[in-house]
Amino acid sequence: GAVVSQHPSWVICKSGTSVKIECRSLDFQATTMFWYRQFPKQSLMLMATSNEGSKATYEQGVEKDKFLINHASLTLSTLTVTSAHPEDSSFYICSRRGQGAYEQYFGPGTRLTVT
Amino acid sequence: RKEVEQDPGPFNVPEGATVAFNCTYSNSASQSFFWYRQDCRKEPKLLMSVYSSGNEDGRFTAQLNRASQYISLLIRDSKLSDSATYLCVVNTWGKFQFGAGTQVVVTP
Repeated sequence: GAVVSQHPSWVICKSGTSVKIECRSLDFQATTMFWYRQFPKQSLMLMATSNEGSKATYEQGVEKDKFLINHASLTLSTLTVTSAHPEDSSFYICSRRGQGAYEQYFGPGTRLTVT
Repeated sequence: RKEVEQDPGPFNVPEGATVAFNCTYSNSASQSFFWYRQDCRKEPKLLMSVYSSGNEDGRFTAQLNRASQYISLLIRDSKLSDSATYLCVVNTWGKFQFGAGTQVVVTP
């Protein structure tokens, strides 16, 4: 069964609004979770590493004030896309590592469309 | 140069045939390697890890060539359900890097 869930699975919003995406680790307490973005026919690009109880670590080129990450508990990380624009339309996927730390388990993804 | 490169395909494969494709990586310090499968509009799912000695899981065989810095995936006796995009994933000091994927289309 699924070990990582995401909500919502898809969302359409108007330009300028904010959207929150939730990622839950269902079977394992995860001190670290990862947020990726995938544009059509492109690879997953790591946006940020979410750390429970501390600030997220953002990859180069990712605006931390635009993509707000909160990891308030060991099972929940949230990504908020603030003031969304059409170019933010993408497939957002979260993940956590396996217990062996050598593999990752992905959530089902959230498809965001900004009109 | 991308850190993980794959032939995007598509590889059009008749049902029952064999298909193989590679993935190259740029960092010789990379420690672990994986093949993931991604269906359209879905999340990636782990297909198999890739070990130095090569490994097999049913109809799937993965190989690692550290000297030339590539991994490969071979699918035997292709099924229609094997149609998907196969992502090469490289773990370098805890950072997972993804290829853009190789699309495989198995035809009846």
